[in-house]
Amino acid sequence: AQKITQTQPGMFVQEKEAVTLDCTYDTSDPSYGLFWYKQPSSGEMIFLIYQGSYDQQNATEGRYSLNFQKARKSANLVISASQLGDSAMYFCAMREGQTGGGNKLTFGTGTQLKVEL
Amino acid sequence: EAGVAQSPRYKIIEKRQSVAFWCNPISGHATLYWYQQILGQGPKLLIQFQNNGVVDDSQLPKDRFSAERLKGVDSTLKIQPAKLEDSAVYLCASSGKGYGYTFGSGTRLTVV
Repeated sequence: AQKITQTQPGMFVQEKEAVTLDCTYDTSDPSYGLFWYKQPSSGEMIFLIYQGSYDQQNATEGRYSLNFQKARKSANLVISASQLGDSAMYFCAMREGQTGGGNKLTFGTGTQLKVEL
Repeated sequence: EAGVAQSPRYKIIEKRQSVAFWCNPISGHATLYWYQQILGQGPKLLIQFQNNGVVDDSQLPKDRFSAERLKGVDSTLKIQPAKLEDSAVYLCASSGKGYGYTFGSGTRLTVV
């Protein structure tokens, strides 16, 4: 079974609108972390937001928020007020095990977001 | 702090040639990862080091790929001989005691 599933290969959004990128995950480890990264065409992985499995509140970082629904094993990324510069590939990733334990990240297949005028 | 350094940034080789990539992680980060990202896909872990020991190399094609991390600091990933399907971006990342992972800019390999 896929550990991280991103079902939207591509998404379009109008500038200044909000957009939600879907991510579901599968793990039996009670301790895990969920990450979202942005990868522009230049190729670098830019960290956006993190949610720990024991965090009570949904994570927010500026225009990014993570809609964490633990029972449904989903960790959707919400981008508010989209900008043209948000056009990029977005990856959801998971770390199984505790923070700082030297555990690998497992990535989804990504969602290509295109912001239009 | 300085980021994860990778070189070269781009490399074009012919099939059956050999190539090597270098990575210098964040100072003090014990864990170093090499990922392969084929165009249009998510990164896939090739090998993970904890200090200078291998933690996970289950996805590394060991007949052609090798990696080392001497002295637990920088690392080299080698492909010999290269195949067309090795064309990808090779990302190096490191992690320490916190929750974050820092990625380098990657090496874009094209095998022709």
